[in-house]
Amino acid sequence: SQQGEEDPQALSIQEGENATMNCSYKTSINNLQWYRQNSGRGLVHLILIRSNEREKHSGRLRVTLDTSKKSSSLLITASRAADTASYFCATPASGSRLTFGEGTQLTVNP
Amino acid sequence: DTGVSQDPRHKITKRGQNVTFRCDPISEHNRLYWYRQTLGQGPEFLTYFQNEAQLEKSRLLSDRFSAERPKGSFSTLEIQRTEQGDSAMYLCASSLTRGGETEAFFGQGTRLTVV
Repeated sequence: SQQGEEDPQALSIQEGENATMNCSYKTSINNLQWYRQNSGRGLVHLILIRSNEREKHSGRLRVTLDTSKKSSSLLITASRAADTASYFCATPASGSRLTFGEGTQLTVNP
Repeated sequence: DTGVSQDPRHKITKRGQNVTFRCDPISEHNRLYWYRQTLGQGPEFLTYFQNEAQLEKSRLLSDRFSAERPKGSFSTLEIQRTEQGDSAMYLCASSLTRGGETEAFFGQGTRLTVV
């Protein structure tokens, strides 16, 4: 079953704009991860945020985590056409397997 | 190391046939996972191995599915008597467990089409 739910399901923006994607989850976690998937390809790990962290940066990515609301957001600043992809949040379950949301399809128009 | 590799990348098979996919994880990773992904959905967990032991199987993994990881290295996923509903992307991932945090490295996937 899917634990996370991403919002919006699809997002279309112009190059240079910022993109914000949100994720909600249901159970307690010790970390939350974001992955990117280009069309028809495997997933690439972007960033991991621990449950005791509220915000984390990596290049043009900024992730926030609100454990009281069981939600996270991924902000991509100064977007580029190459950022066009699906973005998934994932939370670890038993055995460190990951439970993924349904993803946000981001389209960055040049 | 070139990362997680999966073979084949694409497989078209007739309904009722058996198919087998292979995954070669990153060599030092002790955990290996199989996921299935259908169009427009996130990956869904199927099973995982720690070294050669299969520790968990999802209820999605029907009796027609079997996975092995002999010697704790590469893994195979076999689907017997394929059905059209098996059409999906099958993703393999590996990880090195580290203090309860797991960053999974995914392969490019095997896209299965059952006709």
